[in-house]
This record gives sequence, C-alpha cells and structure tokens, in this order.
Amino acid sequence: KAGVTQTPRYLIKTRGQQVTLSCSPISGHRSVSWYQQTPGQGLQFLFEYFSETQRNKGNFPGRFSGRQFSNSRSEMNVSTLELGDSALYLCASSLEPSGQWETQYFGPGTRLLVL
Amino acid sequence: AQKITQTQPGMFVQEKEAVTLDCTYDTSDPSYGLFWYKQPSSGEMIFLIYQGSYDQQNATEGRYSLNFQKARKSANLVISASQLGDSAMYFCAMRERQGNNDMRFGAGTRLTVKP
Repeated sequence: KAGVTQTPRYLIKTRGQQVTLSCSPISGHRSVSWYQQTPGQGLQFLFEYFSETQRNKGNFPGRFSGRQFSNSRSEMNVSTLELGDSALYLCASSLEPSGQWETQYFGPGTRLLVL
Repeated sequence: AQKITQTQPGMFVQEKEAVTLDCTYDTSDPSYGLFWYKQPSSGEMIFLIYQGSYDQQNATEGRYSLNFQKARKSANLVISASQLGDSAMYFCAMRERQGNNDMRFGAGTRLTVKP
C-alpha cells in the first residue's frame, strides 16, 4: 500500500506570493492533518480535515487555509507569504478522525523557502 | 502550556548497544495515546510505537519498546541493539480524548549512533 504522498517536495517563493501544497493520504484513510515544522517552534498543528470538513484548527493566522476533496486528497494554501512561513510542511493521514488511539502516518513533507 | 517534554536535545550511543530516550507529558485527561516517531534527515516522520493510557502492558515493536510509567507521566522509548540507521530525530507525541485531539509533539531528541 502506498504511503502518504506530498507535492511538491521543494518550493521557493518570494514574500507576498501565495502557495498551494498537495497531500494524498494512504488509500482508505479519510482524515488528513497538516503540520508546520520549524527549528524555532518545532512541530505545530495547522488543521485537520475529515469528509471534506475542517474538524480542528491550530493557532495560525487566516492566511493559512486548507480543503479536502471527496477522494480525501487535501490541499493547503498560504497566502501573502512571509519570511517566517519558511518551514517543512508535513501532511499526515489516519483511518478515522481525531481520537487518542488513532495513529497518524506522515508524508515526506514539502520544504518551503520564502525569500 | 508545554504538554510534552523531551529533556535530551542530543544523545549518543554505540552501535549494538541499547539507548533510552526520555519523554514526560502533562495531561488531566485519563484517556490519551502516546506515540513515538522517528525523523531522518530526509524529513519524513516514521511511526514507531503507540501506547494507550489504559494499556496494562508496555508496548513493544521489534527493537523498540516503550517504558510507560503512568503515575510518573513518563513514556520513555527504548531502542535495543542500536544500528547506524537509527541515527535521526525522535519525537514523542500525545493525543488526548478531550479537546481538539490534535497531536502534540515534544521538541525531539537527536540520536547519533557511533560505529
């Protein structure tokens, strides 16, 4: 079974631009979560989607948004990029939505550099 | 408030020896799950092991075992017979049943296996 895939793997943008990242979950997984990882802040939860609905959202500004499609694939969008948005963006999928027993399986991440 | 604490920024271990990576957590929820992930330099987070708060026995997965001490709120990862490929960042994480259920991560421990 194929793992979680993320595209693109690497991205360079300039301040003020917007970016869209894509995530395809493991086949059969219906929940997708997004995380931002930076050296200073570590791993921070962005949001979780299940059945095309956002279930949870972390403490990020409205410039960060996402969506999920009927095939469970998910995209996240960051508008008006800032230098501080440079990070590794990780997508994770699980069979069911949030629950203390649900293991999340991560993709390889998208490394975003904002210049 | 910091929920997951990993006090060892870096650890060294000799190949073929065992190593323990520390993790303590803070929660008032009686129902929670604890996870360990490995992150090689490539960036992908690899799921290693899971322990539920109501599990009576410590979890084991191959060379990985979790030393779960509920009263002390500690969930240390033990890697036996270390291999060079074990060199990576290791993250402890927790999901609670209550609240957002988002996965909270510790700051990580960088493990280096010496030949």
